[in-house]
Amino acid sequence: EVQLVESGGGLVQPGGSLRLSCAASGFTVSNNYMSWVRQAPGKGLEWVSVIYSGGSTYYADAVKGRFTTSRDNSKNTLFLQMNSLRPEDTAVYYCASRSTLDCWGQGTLVTVSS
Amino acid sequence: EIVLTQSPDFQSVTPKEKVTITCRASQSIGSNLHWYQQKPDQSPKLLIKYASQSFSGVPSRFSGSGSGTDFTLTINSLEAEDAATYYCHQSTSLPETFGQGTKVEIK
Repeated sequence: EVQLVESGGGLVQPGGSLRLSCAASGFTVSNNYMSWVRQAPGKGLEWVSVIYSGGSTYYADAVKGRFTTSRDNSKNTLFLQMNSLRPEDTAVYYCASRSTLDCWGQGTLVTVSS
Repeated sequence: EIVLTQSPDFQSVTPKEKVTITCRASQSIGSNLHWYQQKPDQSPKLLIKYASQSFSGVPSRFSGSGSGTDFTLTINSLEAEDAATYYCHQSTSLPETFGQGTKVEIK
């Protein structure tokens, strides 16, 4: 069974950093297109980033230059390094697999507030 | 950036009624359009991929159609458990984008 489990969220002050993890089981992260999607409280879904199987990464303009997506093939885990966090980054962050986003994690809440 | 516009934003529906949600893209996206269901406090779940392909395990009352710029999600004979927000998503070009969502309420 394919499963994704996010972790690493929490409360952080504006300007701070957090690193989110997405541990996968049932499939190989490095062989797949993996995305990060976020959802601000009471709002819709917003695409954040993608990493392709070849390792190329792309970002939404709202996070470009501040967020970095990477993966650890040995741990079958996806990461989202978030720097220079802003209050508007407050959201539940989900990882999802493949271009069709066919499997989603449970999400991890990031709150940026002083 | 490709903008996806869903209509309606909200729909209140009686059980067994048919529901139709549309998603219009600001430019052609072929069939790279996917539909998700999100219930309160849950992660989104894939319903339909590539405009019309049902995802494994999804009830047959959910179907999708369309290509190019106009797409439709249909729920035949709505059930109480279908109360949720529905989103479309395009994976044709970066940045990937989502529609704003359609909330379906059961009367």
